[in-house]
Amino acid sequence: NAGVTQTPKFQVLKTGQSMTLQCAQDMNHNSMYWYRQDPGMGLRLIYYSASEGTTDKGEVPNGYNVSRLNKREFSLRLESAAPSQTSVYFCASRPGQGSYEQYFGPGTRLTVT
Amino acid sequence: GENVEQHPSTLSVQEGDSAVIKCTYSDSASNYFPWYKQELGKRPQLIIDIRSNVGEKKDQRIAVTLNKTAKHFSLHITETQPEDSAVYFCAAYSGAGSYQLTFGKGTKLSVIP
Repeated sequence: NAGVTQTPKFQVLKTGQSMTLQCAQDMNHNSMYWYRQDPGMGLRLIYYSASEGTTDKGEVPNGYNVSRLNKREFSLRLESAAPSQTSVYFCASRPGQGSYEQYFGPGTRLTVT
Repeated sequence: GENVEQHPSTLSVQEGDSAVIKCTYSDSASNYFPWYKQELGKRPQLIIDIRSNVGEKKDQRIAVTLNKTAKHFSLHITETQPEDSAVYFCAAYSGAGSYQLTFGKGTKLSVIP
């Protein structure tokens, strides 16, 4: 049982490049989330998927898109990376059905130059 | 939406002393309040949580209290140890089917041996 996994662990992009961050969970959870973490800012929600087939914007969605590929996988895409998107990105999942705890992946450290 | 304020942003205590971190929230419908611990370079991990129908919860040296009227909740760590040094985040879920968790900006706790 790997829990929540994320790839890659580290990535460096040039301004304007695109990339997709991958997240997968093997806990049969219904809800999945993408956060970014910047120094002194805590964790801010980018997008979430309450259940398979649905996605919704969080607090800071601009510049990102998401895909809930199936129940296990939730990807985050940066179409045209900007230096302001330099951050640590965490994926999380939650069982749903009255269970509130979110389980986090190990994170992806992204630098945009 | 929900707004969570957390203070202090940094806290230094001597080993063996107690540490208290406080959070306030804005949405009176919020019904679940977790605390996460994040060590340097690691993912956030849940250490304790409380639901709105409970005023206090304890787990060994860690306790959380909730005052729904005043809309604030606190984390108490007693007999602190060097391994308690980390960044601690409070968070809140709004009620009524919300799937979004709003985080405070974090408190960096340093326990001095």
